[in-house]
Amino acid sequence: DQQVKQNSPSLSVQEGRISILNCDYTNSMFDYFLWYKKYPAEGPTFLISISSIKDKNEDGRFTVFLNKSAKHLSLHIVPSQPGDSAVYFCAASERDMRFGAGTRLTVKP
Amino acid sequence: NAGVTQTPKFQVLKTGQSMTLQCAQDMNHEYMSWYRQDPGMGLRLIHYSVGAGITDQGEVPNGYNVSRSTTEDFPLRLLSAAPSQTSVYFCASSSGGSSGEQFFGPGTRLTVL
Repeated sequence: DQQVKQNSPSLSVQEGRISILNCDYTNSMFDYFLWYKKYPAEGPTFLISISSIKDKNEDGRFTVFLNKSAKHLSLHIVPSQPGDSAVYFCAASERDMRFGAGTRLTVKP
Repeated sequence: NAGVTQTPKFQVLKTGQSMTLQCAQDMNHEYMSWYRQDPGMGLRLIHYSVGAGITDQGEVPNGYNVSRSTTEDFPLRLLSAAPSQTSVYFCASSSGGSSGEQFFGPGTRLTVL
């Protein structure tokens, strides 16, 4: 069973606009959530994280929001840049780390 | 620092063959893990280790073995390769356990014919 779900396989936005990537999870015991970014032929790289005791974490253009009651988190990228085009993975951890299927973001100039 | 290194980058096997995917890290991280990435499935955890001598199963451990004799190395063994094991394999390490930022290697693309 997939405990972490990213229901949008792809997202396309215009440069300068906001990108919103969504993630849902089923395991209420997850205590830490992360977003990773992946370029082709490379390993994923860490982007931003949030503890389950918080509802928002911001790092520059990237903000992660956590809604525990809805078991939902989202990543906001503002403003979006062409270099942000990549696959974004949502991950959640308890005893081990589980990943979603990923969302391919394309930022058009 | 080289970070997390994986060898080989590409490998083609025949069904039934065995092989070992190598993974090494030079960051003195206690936590290491192996994932496979398949289209539409994201990254699925195969095995992980919280320190030398300690390993545990992840989400999809069948057909794979691991050992952790040193902090640096965490090899993944395919005992008898099957076409279902065709995938991209990533090794990762972390200083913060399963909750910490994981550093990933560049991956090994494995094809089983």
